[in-house]
Amino acid sequence: EAGVVQSPRYKIIEKKQPVAFWCNPISGHNTLYWYLQNLGQGPELLIRYENEEAVDDSQLPKDRFSAERLKGVDSTLKIQPAELGDSAVYLCASSRGGPAGTEAFFGQGTRLTVV
Amino acid sequence: AQSVTQLDSQVPVFEEAPVELRCNYSSSVSVYLFWYVQYPNQGLQLLLKYLSGSTLVKGINGFEAEFNKSQTSFHLRKPSVHISDTAEYFCAVSDLELTFGQGTILTVHP
Repeated sequence: EAGVVQSPRYKIIEKKQPVAFWCNPISGHNTLYWYLQNLGQGPELLIRYENEEAVDDSQLPKDRFSAERLKGVDSTLKIQPAELGDSAVYLCASSRGGPAGTEAFFGQGTRLTVV
Repeated sequence: AQSVTQLDSQVPVFEEAPVELRCNYSSSVSVYLFWYVQYPNQGLQLLLKYLSGSTLVKGINGFEAEFNKSQTSFHLRKPSVHISDTAEYFCAVSDLELTFGQGTILTVHP
């Protein structure tokens, strides 16, 4: 079974430019997560989808961040405009959903550097 | 609300020595606990999880963890580490979403 696929793996952009990250979850996984991981810290949830619905986006900075999950499969996370402080690793994860405690599977992440 | 505290940011150890990585949690709902490992430039991989039942949980790569409700802890242990265990380890608590600790960098020296 293929894992969670993210692209690109690395991205370097200048501040104030837009950037987008793409995630393809494991087939059949209804729940999709985007996490932000700053250097030396644990991942922090940005948004959680159940199918195509964003059920928890309370931690997503909506002034510059947006996300979508069309057709309840792939997802895109966008930043516009990017700031220096957005430099981090953006992780996508998916799970079958259902009861609490269901395992989440993570992609390799996209490392963003804003210069 | 739920939170996780990993008590050690870095743990150096010699190869074949035992190791314990400490984790304390707080949660207002049912407790589901996880340990993930992250190798350099990789995503997170599940080591083990506690959902219910036996408080001693065995995972991959020879790791195990013990759930202690009275001390709100979920410490990770391995009796004999290898060089290949060098990585960052994250403890997490979950209801519908994972809340992670800050991570512990385990460095195994030859």
